[in-house]
Amino acid sequence: SQKIEQNSEALNIQEGKTATLTCNYTNYSPAYLQWYRQDPGRGPVFLLLIRENEKEKRKERLKVTFDTTLKQSLFHITASQPADSATYLCAPIFGNEKLTFGTGTRLTIIP
Amino acid sequence: DTGVSQDPRHKITKRGQNVTFRCDPISEHNRLYWYRQTLGQGPEFLTYFQNEAQLEKSRLLSDRFSAERPKGSFSTLEIQRTEQGDSAMYLCASSSGSQAANEKLFFGSGTQLSVL
Repeated sequence: SQKIEQNSEALNIQEGKTATLTCNYTNYSPAYLQWYRQDPGRGPVFLLLIRENEKEKRKERLKVTFDTTLKQSLFHITASQPADSATYLCAPIFGNEKLTFGTGTRLTIIP
Repeated sequence: DTGVSQDPRHKITKRGQNVTFRCDPISEHNRLYWYRQTLGQGPEFLTYFQNEAQLEKSRLLSDRFSAERPKGSFSTLEIQRTEQGDSAMYLCASSSGSQAANEKLFFGSGTQLSVL
């Protein structure tokens, strides 16, 4: 069965630096991959979607890459701010159409 | 407020009791999902509806769990004879269903269940 791994449980980054989060999957590639943000006590909020045939997607300070050879997606936050502190979840979409979430990476931006 | 709403936000119950949660999706959305999330983990899929039809149930969903969406609008998730292992955040999400393979989900804030 598919396994989704996000690089680390927690990541601390100095304010103003770029935060890079990793999502790795096994076996076959998803057709799409979504990234969500989750704050404590709240449900996840959609951020970005990237398709299998896209290498990179950007939205303001966010950038997502998708490398089907490495079976990996990277999520970057540039010029990070304390307000970016949250848990970030990757969610590949495989053939069965429902989202399967990774365990998440808890990001803390240190002022 | 046009977001997904869930009720109650918190539920504390004793082992063996039955509990029911409600989810009101975004009004024009025809797909509704239930997920369960425990501390330090990502949400785990439980079941989903297309209008009133329940199209898929996870193997995680034991016979003690039942979900309904009788009129294709709000949904309820019932857990019978609760166990301590049922303690988790139960999340509801909805989507328009227009492009099923890549559509984004809109989540509610969840119901936090604690079974004592």
